Amino acid sequence: EAQVTQNPRYLITVTGKKLTVTCSQNMNHEYMSWYRQDPGLGLRQIYYSMNVEVTDKGDVPEGYKVSRKEKRNFPLILESPSPNQTSLYFCASSLSPSDEQYFGPGTRLTVT
Amino acid sequence: DAKTTQPPSMDCAEGRAANLPCNHSTISGNEYVYWYRQIHSQGPQYIIHGLKNNETNEMASLIITEDRKSSTLILPHATLRDTAVYYCIVINDYKLSFGAGTTVTVRA
Repeated sequence: EAQVTQNPRYLITVTGKKLTVTCSQNMNHEYMSWYRQDPGLGLRQIYYSMNVEVTDKGDVPEGYKVSRKEKRNFPLILESPSPNQTSLYFCASSLSPSDEQYFGPGTRLTVT
Repeated sequence: DAKTTQPPSMDCAEGRAANLPCNHSTISGNEYVYWYRQIHSQGPQYIIHGLKNNETNEMASLIITEDRKSSTLILPHATLRDTAVYYCIVINDYKLSFGAGTTVTVRA
């Protein structure tokens, strides 16, 4: 089954404790991206990747890092999480930015 | 960047057509219009996309004006399961920008 998976689905952590949210797709997609969703603000793109080792900033990259060492994986790293990063996070993949985006199920992160 | 403007919310009666407008007045010639929807807090789901011609699939129809400055998503026979947030986006370069979308509530 074609899908995008994210782990963990729920995470509660404390300020400053490094964490990684994993994202994996099995569709051989070139383009992958991360979004955060906050009430009333829609989805805002954090980072995107055009291919392996090619990443770039989206609209809200501050406080986040990403890597793309393999085509299928695109982890999101929070080196020092803060409470304002409490949000619902989505990973997505597609053949290209102008193709249909396939979204993961979301990761709900709470930073206390 | 081509931005989109959508009404924040709208209601629709079950069984009736739902017409969702979207303005994208700064769209350029090679930019597609995409529609997605998000049910509760699930990942957004692709609905339809188009460039300049009207498009139809099993879920919806997309009507794009001749000047391409606006479009309308039509759900022909809305059901309670169509209650969701609907996003109209224009793909510009490599970045994707989703606004707040339109919250559609289908009422019995």
